[in-house]
Amino acid sequence: GESVGLHLPTLSVQEGDNSIINCAYSNSASDYFIWYKQESGKGPQFIIDIRSNMDKRQGQRVTVLLNKTVKHLSLQIAATQPGDSAVYFCAESTPDTGRRALTFGSGTRLQVQP
Amino acid sequence: SQTIHQWPATLVQPVGSPLSLECTVEGTSNPNLYWYRQAAGRGLQLLFYSVGIGQISSEVPQNLSASRPQDRQFILSSKKLLLSDSGFYLCAWSLGGRAFFGQGTRLTVV
Repeated sequence: GESVGLHLPTLSVQEGDNSIINCAYSNSASDYFIWYKQESGKGPQFIIDIRSNMDKRQGQRVTVLLNKTVKHLSLQIAATQPGDSAVYFCAESTPDTGRRALTFGSGTRLQVQP
Repeated sequence: SQTIHQWPATLVQPVGSPLSLECTVEGTSNPNLYWYRQAAGRGLQLLFYSVGIGQISSEVPQNLSASRPQDRQFILSSKKLLLSDSGFYLCAWSLGGRAFFGQGTRLTVV
């Protein structure tokens, strides 16, 4: 499969621990943010999103936190499982009418140790 | 439900040969469509996006082109591939911001 993540920062956690993956964004006009999970050789899968009028959003085992003051986004995964091992990307978009394309961060590899 | 199909999954092409990657979306109408490229160990770079039939916008100058002959069909092409065109190509669709990706095509130009 595609060798995603050769030069990516890596976060290694023990199974059952909580994981926190961080992302800094640069565009203060960005108003929509998404976290994606990408397994080797596959396309990114949507995990959770958040709009800029919120600072926290929770899903199943995942929480996204947004700090607009310092332009920082984080993904928290509770009770990390081996199946969570993948590369995680944050993405942002601006309210550019029609285009709405996402700008992706460089990604973080999460390795879950059994 | 909406689905996105992208093919082929892998492709090995010689330098100078043409390229055609196809992407189709089902279960939605008039989506925004995108082509991204991902180099090994990197994030996704937007190549083209389309907001409607025949409407293509290019994000970066390159050896590739895109077309949208039908509402839910997006094609990535090249007349003559370069070695630097190797990478993982991803098609995506969106309505309202959230993008959904195909499984990708790994292109190796030799």
